[in-house]
Order: sequence, then C-alpha cells, then structure tokens
Amino acid sequence: DIVLTQSPATLSLSPGERATLSCRASQSISNYLAWYQQKPGQAPRLLIHDASNRATGIPARFSGSGSGTDFTLTISSLEPEDFAVYYCQQRGNWPPLTFGGGTKLEIK
Amino acid sequence: QVQLVESGGGLVKPGGSLRLSCAASGFTFSDYYMSWIRQAPGKGLEWISYISTSGSTIYYADSVKGRFAISRDNAKNSLYLQMNSLRADDTAVYYCATDRVGTTWVYWGQGTLVTVSS
Repeated sequence: DIVLTQSPATLSLSPGERATLSCRASQSISNYLAWYQQKPGQAPRLLIHDASNRATGIPARFSGSGSGTDFTLTISSLEPEDFAVYYCQQRGNWPPLTFGGGTKLEIK
Repeated sequence: QVQLVESGGGLVKPGGSLRLSCAASGFTFSDYYMSWIRQAPGKGLEWISYISTSGSTIYYADSVKGRFAISRDNAKNSLYLQMNSLRADDTAVYYCATDRVGTTWVYWGQGTLVTVSS
C-alpha cells in the first residue's frame, strides 16, 4: 500500500502569510495526487487534483506541485477562511486509495 | 445541483449490523463511480470501498473486507453499505463521495455517524 506522509502536522501562520504543506509518498505515484481541505463539522472539499490542477471554483491562491514521491500544496496569501485541516490523497497505485494523516493549519 | 444524502447511521452494539444509504440527485447517478470514506472521531480520512458505475467492479480496504458490502441501485439513484460484525474501531462518520474519475472526489455527502458501543 502507498503510505502518504504529510508535514508538518501543524502549521501556525498569520493571515497574509504564505503556507507550504508537504506530502511524501512511499513510492512513485506519478502525478496522481489530490489535496482536500476540511473544516470542523464539514465534509472535505477537493482543492487540487492530479498534483497541480485546481478544482472548479477553487481560488488561484491555492496551487499544487510535484510528481513522483514529493508534492507541495501552496497557499500564496492566507485568508481567514483557509485555516483548516488539509489532506493529500493518492490514486497512483490502488486499491487501496490512501490519504495522508493531515496538516492542521492554525492561526498564529 | 449535485446532492448526496447519507442515512442509516446510529448506535449499534459490537457484532451488530447496520445498512447505510446514500441518496443521490442532481447528476446522472449511473455515470458516476461511488465510494464510501469514513472518519473516526478526531482522526483522518479512510477510504473503505469503491463501486463502478455498473456495480461490476468493487474494492474494499483490508480493514472492512469480508465484513462490509457495497452495492448500488441505479434505478433508485442510491448507494448502500451493508456493515456486519461491527467493531468499536468502526465508529466513525461515514461519507459517500463521487466524481466522474471515481478515485478523487468532488462531491461529498454530509456524512452519517456510526457508533459501535455496548
């Protein structure tokens, strides 16, 4: 099974700052990686699919990059509504489809 | 608009059974691959099952294989998850989710809570 390791576990930043979240796969998954945002009490929301493609309606401040085993989600300038938990998820080698453990982005 | 509404969650004793349903609307259900994904309280996301558009291809996570069964009724625009031999570690919010690709998910339900406890 593909294991996804997200870092850091918690990221403390202020609005307006740049956020960089990492996701590392235990083996190559090409570009078959997605990123989700989840707020308390809500279902996850797809942000990025296939490593770098923004889902419909996702603001341009969200961008994804990477291929193979190393991936990054960047939020260029944090808005108050961006503070949430972020998960990466792979479909490069499945089943099973797997998620990373999550990064909590909190207000500093 | 696309809507997924899960139902059937609740409190069940260890070893018991439960059947979850997911009612879909706002899209051509028979064209979409479906999955169940769960989230234990305070924990991360776990994919547990996938079913193809026709129901001919089904996959499960090892954690539920042999105990859970996914199915769909395209005529009723509905997805199901039959859960047997439930354990305490099955306690979670269960989401149905979908996308045309089937292996990432744009559309999610609101989730239904399953609690396994004596």
